[in-house]
Amino acid sequence: QVTLKESGPVLVKPTETLTLTCTVSGFSLSNPRLGVSWIRQPPGKALEWLAHIFSNDEKSYITSLKTRLTISKDTSKGQVVLVMINVDLVDTATYYCARIGSSGWYFDYWGQGSLVTVSS
Amino acid sequence: SYELTQPPSLSVSPGQTASITCSGHKLGERFACWYQQKPGQSPVLVIYKDNERPSGIPERFSGSNSGNTATLTISGTQAMDEADYYCQAWDSSTAVFGGGTKLTVL
Repeated sequence: QVTLKESGPVLVKPTETLTLTCTVSGFSLSNPRLGVSWIRQPPGKALEWLAHIFSNDEKSYITSLKTRLTISKDTSKGQVVLVMINVDLVDTATYYCARIGSSGWYFDYWGQGSLVTVSS
Repeated sequence: SYELTQPPSLSVSPGQTASITCSGHKLGERFACWYQQKPGQSPVLVIYKDNERPSGIPERFSGSNSGNTATLTISGTQAMDEADYYCQAWDSSTAVFGGGTKLTVL
């Protein structure tokens, strides 16, 4: 059974660093056909893809946030970590991690989401 | 940057066909997929690779993609289909989502 679960702080202050962890089970991060993405959704707004990482450590980031994001993985722990520096009020959102399907080009499993509020 | 455009809302009567469009430059040359999201829940993949249905998704969900437009079609729409629907495609190894369409069944 494939599952993904996000964890991280509920509340962060502006200018702080946000670290989110996605713990996966039911598949391996070493599988060359699979990847994991981070996607966020501000309250009442649309989904926004942020970054992805594959087993070969190939990474990609949304252009608008590229300087603030770092994605990494610990295959032995089954974890994918997203670090966002210098957070702002507009970064308030539910953050999801999702698996990129085996033939690529779609997100076949999603975590439950982690609501992060940026507030002073 | 690549953009996908969806109508913000669509209303349909139960039993009717709902067609939700997603427009993007030469979208037909990429794979499109669709997600359903109900309030307070995570998105669920309902169509991938333009017209493939994941296991467990009802046959009333279908998709097409040609030219600049991808379409999600729900035949015989049911009350349980009321949700937000998002299209998604890839552009040079970055994923792009449409703005979402709120489907109301009434």
